[in-house]
Amino acid sequence: AQSVTQLDSHVSVSEGTPVLLRCNYSSSYSPSLFWYVQHPNKGLQLLLKYTSAATLVKGINGFEAEFKKSETSFHLTKPSAHMSDAAEYFCVVSEISSGSARQLTFGSGTQLTVLP
Amino acid sequence: GAGVSQSPRYKVAKRGQDVALRCDPISGHVSLFWYQQALGQGPEFLTYFQNEAQLDKSGLPSDRFFAERPEGSVSTLKIQRTQQEDSAVYLCASSLALAGGVYEQFFGPGTRLTVL
Repeated sequence: AQSVTQLDSHVSVSEGTPVLLRCNYSSSYSPSLFWYVQHPNKGLQLLLKYTSAATLVKGINGFEAEFKKSETSFHLTKPSAHMSDAAEYFCVVSEISSGSARQLTFGSGTQLTVLP
Repeated sequence: GAGVSQSPRYKVAKRGQDVALRCDPISGHVSLFWYQQALGQGPEFLTYFQNEAQLDKSGLPSDRFFAERPEGSVSTLKIQRTQQEDSAVYLCASSLALAGGVYEQFFGPGTRLTVL
C-alpha cells in the first residue's frame, strides 16, 4: 500500500525568501511521485513529477524537488517565493491499483502563505 | 484547448435527495478518474474508467455511489439518498494514459456538494 505524509499543514514565508515543503512517502514498489498545486476555486495543477529518471526534478514556476530513496522523501523547494505562490500544495504518490490504473494517493496538503 | 469541465460547480441538496455530477474530460483522453476531497483534506480516489469500462471502483464509499461513462467521454457520478457525510468537493481528472502509464492527470475545478 502507498501513503504520503506532508509534515507541515501550514508554511509561512516572506516574499523573496526560500520555500521548503516537506513530504515523506511509503510505497511497496518504485513509486512515481508528483507535486500538485491548488489555487482557490481553480483545478489542481501539476508542478512536477518524478518517474525514476533524474532524482532532481525541475518543475514549473521555479519549483524543484529531490527524490531521496534512502530518506523516502520528496521535498519541494523554490529559491525565492513570490506572492502568486500562495496556494495549497499536495504531494502525491502513484502506483498500479487493482484495476491496473495509476490512481493517485494524495497527502493532506500544505497551505503556503507568502507575506509581503 | 479546453480543459476538464465539471457541472454544476456548486450543488446544495437536502439529506435523502439524489444528485448527479457531470464531468467533461479533455477530448481524446482515454482515462477518467473521480476523486472526493473533504474539507481540509487531500483528494481521495473513488473510481477509474478506461474508455467506457469502469476498471476500478474500489474507492466508492458505499453502494449509494454510482459512476458511468457510457460512450467513453462524458462521465456522471451519481449519489443516491445523500447524507451529510457526502458533503465534499468532487474532482474529475482525465489522462491520455492507458493502464499503467505515468501520464499527467488533468483536473477539473470540481463540484462542491453541500448536503443539509
